[in-house]
Amino acid sequence: ETGVTQTPRHLVMGMTNKKSLKCEQHLGHNAMYWYKQSAKKPLELMFVYSLEERVENNSVPSRFSPECPNSSHLFLHLHTLQPEDSALYLCASSLQVGGTGGNTIYFGEGSWLTVV
Amino acid sequence: GQNIDQPTEMTATEGAIVQINCTYQTSGFNGLFWYQQHAGEAPTFLSYNVLDGLEEKGRFSSFLSRSKGYSYLLLKELQMKDSASYLCAVMDSNYQLIWGAGTKLIIKP
Repeated sequence: ETGVTQTPRHLVMGMTNKKSLKCEQHLGHNAMYWYKQSAKKPLELMFVYSLEERVENNSVPSRFSPECPNSSHLFLHLHTLQPEDSALYLCASSLQVGGTGGNTIYFGEGSWLTVV
Repeated sequence: GQNIDQPTEMTATEGAIVQINCTYQTSGFNGLFWYQQHAGEAPTFLSYNVLDGLEEKGRFSSFLSRSKGYSYLLLKELQMKDSASYLCAVMDSNYQLIWGAGTKLIIKP
């Protein structure tokens, strides 16, 4: 139990489907993140939210749409994805965005996405 | 550009010691993190170094040399459960985390 839970753990979707990934953190943190993890590549930061406000969007295609209704919940809405979007999508949280170097990030176990 | 380098894969023997190196070139420095990630699981925090020197935490130690842009993670008395990927990440001057691609550590009996 990491304090950050993600659902679903596995998702297979067609290129024309619409699906959503859900993340919930139970740590009382103010910052939440979406990362993409592909095999043998560094973690790619996708989106950052601070107190429900998006503070960063790292040139992510519009087929990925984040939503943060409150500081404990984060969604990633998926629409018309491509096969190259298949990856592990990790949600994470931290006490705050930046601020101090010791601002440890806590990850969820990820959602494995396969686009067919 | 910003870059983190670490070996792709390492193999070690149960009971032995292994050192995983990480070198970095970043815009500023606000600390270096090591995370452990077992296959199919979340990355979990191992250590944080912001000053030069060695930080010891049980069987795991992490070393930092800011002048050399270099860190290592030292794992002692290796156990089979230590088989995992180890991720190095540096926080730059904008407090952004720059990640390495991870080192897959294989432990053999």
